[in-house]
Amino acid sequence: GENVEQHPSTLSVQEGDSAVIKCTYSDSASNYFPWYKQELGKRPQLIIDIRSNVGEKKDQRIAVTLNKTAKHFSLHITETQPEDSAVYFCAASGSNFGNEKLTFGTGTRLTIIP
Amino acid sequence: DAGVTQSPTHLIKTRGQQVTLRCSPKSGHDTVSWYQQALGQGPQFIFQYYEEEERQRGNFPDRFSGHQFPNYSSELNVNALLLGDSALYLCASSPGRRGEQFFGPGTRLTVL
Repeated sequence: GENVEQHPSTLSVQEGDSAVIKCTYSDSASNYFPWYKQELGKRPQLIIDIRSNVGEKKDQRIAVTLNKTAKHFSLHITETQPEDSAVYFCAASGSNFGNEKLTFGTGTRLTIIP
Repeated sequence: DAGVTQSPTHLIKTRGQQVTLRCSPKSGHDTVSWYQQALGQGPQFIFQYYEEEERQRGNFPDRFSGHQFPNYSSELNVNALLLGDSALYLCASSPGRRGEQFFGPGTRLTVL
């Protein structure tokens, strides 16, 4: 089955700096790669996603890149703000639409230092 | 428009007991997936229901079972509870065979 590895497990950055979180996956059939943000005690919230036919996607301060050949994808957050502090999870799915089983990484705890 | 809702919020059980957790999907969504999230870990897929049938199943024992009702709401049942079943149980809904999964707030299950 699919295996998703995520690094780093913890990340601290100065407010205003950029943060990068990286994930690798094992199943070449995976086609959909979402990123979820989970604040303490709250539900995971979808912040951005990318499908296999796209190499990069951007939404304001957040961007995701995908390298299907190397089977890795990354989350980039620019101009970080204190409200970006949370645990971020990457995931992979064999469905191009994201409605099938999601295999999650182990999470990255991001701390923004004011 | 209400998002995904789950009940109860918290639950405490003892080993060997049985538990039922409930999920109501987001309006317009007919597919429900269940995930188990242990402390400090990413969510792990348990199973998915669509058209009242189990469509996919993760690596969980038969003690974990579910059901989907005609109104698309769903239940997760866990029998013969073990200490290791203590976790946050998340429900996610999506619109049919297309569309992203949106998570509910979860049910925190503690097994003593």
